[in-house]
Amino acid sequence: DTEVTQTPKHLVMGMTNKKSLKCEQHMGHRAMYWYKQKAKKPPELMFVYSYEKLSINESVPSRFSPECPNSSLLNLHLHALQPEDSALYLCAGGAPTPGSPEKLFFGSGTQLSVL
Amino acid sequence: AQKVTQAQTEISVVEKEDVTLDCVYETRDTTYYLFWYKQPPSGELVFLIRRNSFDEQNEISGRYSWNFQKSTSSFNFTITASQVVDSAVYFCALSGLNAGGTSYGKLTFGQGTILTVHP
Repeated sequence: DTEVTQTPKHLVMGMTNKKSLKCEQHMGHRAMYWYKQKAKKPPELMFVYSYEKLSINESVPSRFSPECPNSSLLNLHLHALQPEDSALYLCAGGAPTPGSPEKLFFGSGTQLSVL
Repeated sequence: AQKVTQAQTEISVVEKEDVTLDCVYETRDTTYYLFWYKQPPSGELVFLIRRNSFDEQNEISGRYSWNFQKSTSSFNFTITASQVVDSAVYFCALSGLNAGGTSYGKLTFGQGTILTVHP
């Protein structure tokens, strides 16, 4: 069983649609992350939530809006996306400890296609 | 600025062969951490190892071994007696620490090496 669950696994949306990606973890991790991965490229950090507060936003366009309703859930709200936003969106959980970067547990991702 | 270079874009081997994946990094941080992740076709990244900059001991875990050489800024990964299930994209990653001493998962990834193991 994966420790981080993402839904949906696949999503196709038009440029005028509004959709949300969901991520759930029950490992008690206090930090949650959104990464974006284009085909044949490494993942790129988008957002970090630490203790349910947004701590890092890597200059992501406002058409991506993260939300952390509680310590187990992380959402990514999508609105007015562009075709170039098509990618695999990965959620991860971790436990930040001062002086020791944590290992991250990733979900299987949502493969997003914007038409 | 941090940078991770995985010079091998793709590697193809036959089952039971040994294979080494190269990773070279650049950083100005004196304290940093290196990681290897595996990404199988299913998509999720699977953590394999974390090594800090003060620990240059090589590590072996089953068929996997890692060679960290600070003098050459390399952190190479060897799979012994490869198996078809090892087929995946392998990422080397680097993490420094922010002013508060926490990295918050900000990993700098290499471009990845696609490993294909043929039966």
